[in-house]
Amino acid sequence: AQSVTQLDSQVPVFEEAPVELRCNYSSSVSVYLFWYVQYPNQGLQLLLKYLSGSTLVKGINGFEAEFNKSQTSFHLRKPSVHISDTAEYFCAVSSTGGYQKVTFGIGTKLQVIP
Amino acid sequence: NAGVTQTPKFQVLKTGQSMTLQCAQDMNHEYMSWYRQDPGMGLRLIHYSVGAGITDQGEVPNGYNVSRSTTEDFPLRLLSAAPSQTSVYFCASSKGQGVNTGELFFGEGSRLTVL
Repeated sequence: AQSVTQLDSQVPVFEEAPVELRCNYSSSVSVYLFWYVQYPNQGLQLLLKYLSGSTLVKGINGFEAEFNKSQTSFHLRKPSVHISDTAEYFCAVSSTGGYQKVTFGIGTKLQVIP
Repeated sequence: NAGVTQTPKFQVLKTGQSMTLQCAQDMNHEYMSWYRQDPGMGLRLIHYSVGAGITDQGEVPNGYNVSRSTTEDFPLRLLSAAPSQTSVYFCASSKGQGVNTGELFFGEGSRLTVL
């Protein structure tokens, strides 16, 4: 079984400040890791993914995440946020190999304050 | 390019009524799934399909039924609606196996209220 824990349900941050959204996962097998973003009244869209190789992954809109196997973490970061980054962010995990179900965290609402 | 299309976007039901949420994708994706999104609970997997004629249960399958007669379509049926099924439902698809599994393409959602 696999699970995802997002440690913060809401994160307020001022515009142009840096932000980190935390994600920890649990799995007994190798995993792929993902961050999705959901803007108000929309579906989710993929922000970035870690499959293998370099532990620092860059995604769209200036976001990046770092995979830390020893700490089972996959935190999302952006050095300078914009008002348009206000959204809900979901961390997700799937096992490697074959058809595997995707498990999502409960989400973190990022509120960018002007 | 339409991607994943869900209908209807909004629906109000009375307890005990049945209905079908439609989902269609035009990307020839093998894998399709249904999630429900509830405040404070993230997305929970209801049912999924790895190809036409193959479906399986997710975390919260009770009260829902699915079928996959074609690659494109994956309808979700509520057999006898209950207030606990008030939620936002998302259909998602992906190319399928391995590195493609977690790269989900989502529809815009269907907001269901059961009175």
